[in-house]
Amino acid sequence: DAGVTQSPTHLIKTRGQQVTLRCSPKSGHDTVSWYQQALGQGPQFIFQYYEEEERQRGNFPDRFSGHQFPNYSSELNVNALLLGDSALYLCASSLGGGPQHFGDGTRLSIL
Amino acid sequence: GEDVEQSLFLSVREGDSSVINCTYTDSSSTYLYWYKQEPGAGLQLLTYIFSNMDMKQDQRLTVLLNKKDKHLSLRIADTQTGDSAIYFCAEIRGNTDKLIFGTGTRLQVFP
Repeated sequence: DAGVTQSPTHLIKTRGQQVTLRCSPKSGHDTVSWYQQALGQGPQFIFQYYEEEERQRGNFPDRFSGHQFPNYSSELNVNALLLGDSALYLCASSLGGGPQHFGDGTRLSIL
Repeated sequence: GEDVEQSLFLSVREGDSSVINCTYTDSSSTYLYWYKQEPGAGLQLLTYIFSNMDMKQDQRLTVLLNKKDKHLSLRIADTQTGDSAIYFCAEIRGNTDKLIFGTGTRLQVFP
């Protein structure tokens, strides 16, 4: 039974570029949440998707957008990348309001 | 994290018990979680407790919740070197489904 999988594991971009990160939820889960974890800090909530719609959003600018597909997988898109977007991006899946299970993350570095 | 506080560092001898503490400020917290993060990895769900419970035990892990003082603790019995990691407490508030994390406690276990 596969857990939450994220791709790619590492990514290097330059300022101003755009990036797409991908997440496949744990089998049986229908809800996907995305978090940003800066170095030395706890994860910060970006947004959550359920039934292919954004259900909740944290305090992140519109440059951060997402999508959920009919098979419950999800993408996180970030436009006009800034140096401060360098972080570990974590995807978590859950079933309804149950506990969130995390993937290993995508490490994004902005040069 | 926003209003979830943890001490930064804890060092214990192998075989001793570890107690990691967390305080939160929002009385509407419904669920409280403990996650473990090893270097270069995502977050592993360890255990969680509903806000109307005082204690939960799961093998070597014991969670204590003092709702009056808004204090949560995680006790690890017979701590092993493999327990060395960063431990995050996190809360779910009210009707939201987003996790609010502390800054994490780095647990170091020495022989």
